[in-house]
Amino acid sequence: ETGVTQSPTHLIKTRGQQVTLRCSSQSGHNTVSWYQQALGQGPQFIFQYYREEENGRGNFPPRFSGLQFPNYSSELNVNALELDDSALYLCASSLVRGGEQFFGPGTRLTVL
Amino acid sequence: RKEVEQDPGPFNVPEGATVAFNCTYSNSASQSFFWYRQDCRKEPKLLMSVYSSGNEDGRFTAQLNRASQYISLLIRDSKLSDSATYLCVVNNWNYGGSQGNLIFGKGTKLSVKP
Repeated sequence: ETGVTQSPTHLIKTRGQQVTLRCSSQSGHNTVSWYQQALGQGPQFIFQYYREEENGRGNFPPRFSGLQFPNYSSELNVNALELDDSALYLCASSLVRGGEQFFGPGTRLTVL
Repeated sequence: RKEVEQDPGPFNVPEGATVAFNCTYSNSASQSFFWYRQDCRKEPKLLMSVYSSGNEDGRFTAQLNRASQYISLLIRDSKLSDSATYLCVVNNWNYGGSQGNLIFGKGTKLSVKP
């Protein structure tokens, strides 16, 4: 069974640019959640997708957007990057909504 | 009040010691509870779910007190490999609701020394 995978592993961007991060959920998992983890903090919920629809959103501005595809993989898009967007971005999948979530290795984004 | 609060530590303990972590949560309607472990610069990994009746997995014991909105994790006979950050996690999702996100504490850092 393949676990959650994310790409790329590392990324460096400059302020104002746009970025797309990708996530493949664990086999059979139809729910994908995205989290942002700043240094020294716990992960913060960005949004969740269930069967290709947004199923909840945390306190993040609209420039954070996402998609889920029919195979349940997902993308996180961030427009107009700011320095504070530098963080580890984690994707987690679960078999059912409200169930245990399993995390991918994350994408470390640095905004200069 | 923060949704999930933990003592950030660090807890520095010798091998073989017993160590306990505590966590409080603010939403009395929270439905499910977990402990995750996170190694430096790695993703969080599920350590164990926490049930009202308490549960044990080898050297690890988790307890939930809904009345006090309090969760604990006990690690017995600490190993060097237990060194990590332990994240207390609450899921407020309920059947019929629409949001199923995890709410993380900031984590408690544990360092086990030889």
